[in-house]
Amino acid sequence: GENVEQHPSTLSVQEGDSAVIKCTYSDSASNYFPWYKQELGKRPQLIIDIRSNVGEKKDQRIAVTLNKTAKHFSLHITETQPEDSAVYFCAARVLTGGGNKLTFGTGTQLKVEL
Amino acid sequence: DTEVTQTPKHLVMGMTNKKSLKCEQHMGHRAMYWYKQKAKKPPELMFVYSYEKLSINESVPSRFSPECPNSSLLNLHLHALQPEDSALYLCASSHPLRGRNTDTQYFGPGTRLTVL
Repeated sequence: GENVEQHPSTLSVQEGDSAVIKCTYSDSASNYFPWYKQELGKRPQLIIDIRSNVGEKKDQRIAVTLNKTAKHFSLHITETQPEDSAVYFCAARVLTGGGNKLTFGTGTQLKVEL
Repeated sequence: DTEVTQTPKHLVMGMTNKKSLKCEQHMGHRAMYWYKQKAKKPPELMFVYSYEKLSINESVPSRFSPECPNSSLLNLHLHALQPEDSALYLCASSHPLRGRNTDTQYFGPGTRLTVL
């Protein structure tokens, strides 16, 4: 099955700095890669996603890049703000005979310090 | 309505109890999911329903029994649970519509389950 590795597990940045989180996946059949943000006690919320036919996608301060050859994808957050502090999960999706199956990375605790 | 709702928010049960978790969505999604999330860990897929039929069971113990009464509702029946089953149980929903592949999974707020 799919295996997703995520690094780093914790990341501290100063407000205004950039943050980068990296993930690798194992199954070349994976074709959809979402990123979720989860604040303490809250539900995971989709912040950006990318499909395998695209190399890069940007939404305001957030961008995701995908390298299919190397099987890795990254989340970039610029001009970080305290409200960006949360756990971020990457995921990879494989379409199986049974349906839409997401495998999550282990998560990155991002702390934005004033 | 662009939300997935779950009840109850919190549940405490003994190992001999029977309880049910409920999930509802009115976005017209035809795929619904149950995930289990332990503290500081990622969500782990348990079950997938597609068009009200169970399509994926990730080798979940039989003390967890899912049910999809209609396209908007998803239940998880719990019986004879163990303390290690204590976790946040998340429901999610997504398309597909027939003949079209859409991907985004929307999560509910979860039920915080404690088994004593």
